[in-house]
Amino acid sequence: DAKTTQPPSMDCAEGRAANLPCNHSTISGNEYVYWYRQIHSQGPQYIIHGLKNNETNEMASLIITEDRKSSTLILPHATLRDTAVYYCIVRGAQGGSEKLVFGKGTKLTVNP
Amino acid sequence: GAVVSQHPSWVICKSGTSVKIECRSLDFQATTMFWYRQFPKQSLMLMATSNEGSKATYEQGVEKDKFLINHASLTLSTLTVTSAHPEDSSFYICSAPPTTQETQYFGPGTRLLVL
Repeated sequence: DAKTTQPPSMDCAEGRAANLPCNHSTISGNEYVYWYRQIHSQGPQYIIHGLKNNETNEMASLIITEDRKSSTLILPHATLRDTAVYYCIVRGAQGGSEKLVFGKGTKLTVNP
Repeated sequence: GAVVSQHPSWVICKSGTSVKIECRSLDFQATTMFWYRQFPKQSLMLMATSNEGSKATYEQGVEKDKFLINHASLTLSTLTVTSAHPEDSSFYICSAPPTTQETQYFGPGTRLLVL
């Protein structure tokens, strides 16, 4: 079973920031938080991951609470192409060879 | 990021036939690859872990004799759906982690329709 809880759906206006929450209250000290997204009928796309520090890349920012029990993915200026299902996944630190367990994710709809 | 390809992108077959799906890592080597299945409006479900040079590891409830996996090289894994039936119709997706990275990269998926 997935170790994360996400709202089933969210809406966001184009050009505004999209903040997607994720609860992972049972996360262990050596487990990472990963975010992927899946645009309709495509394979998932990696977005970002982190352990305990906040992370930022060209796609998004990841804010992890100090107790690591929740996190927020931020898309700073959402576009229509960001409409997708976003998956928050907790995974151990065994490198890329450890399997990913997908939950139901959050369906983000960016509206014009 | 690293690139993973799948072939074919879609396939239609008759019930009872076998279908082979290829997953390739184009610019990196992967000792491990993963196969997922996704039914409409559902999340991805891991089917099996493909290991180069050894037997695949199947998730509980996945029939290993029906879903044959071969990982013959560091850049290629194949999934063969044997004696396909309409209930096997689904979106099949593979992923591969470069040995030097912590991230898995996914292929574009293969849509299978069994008539």
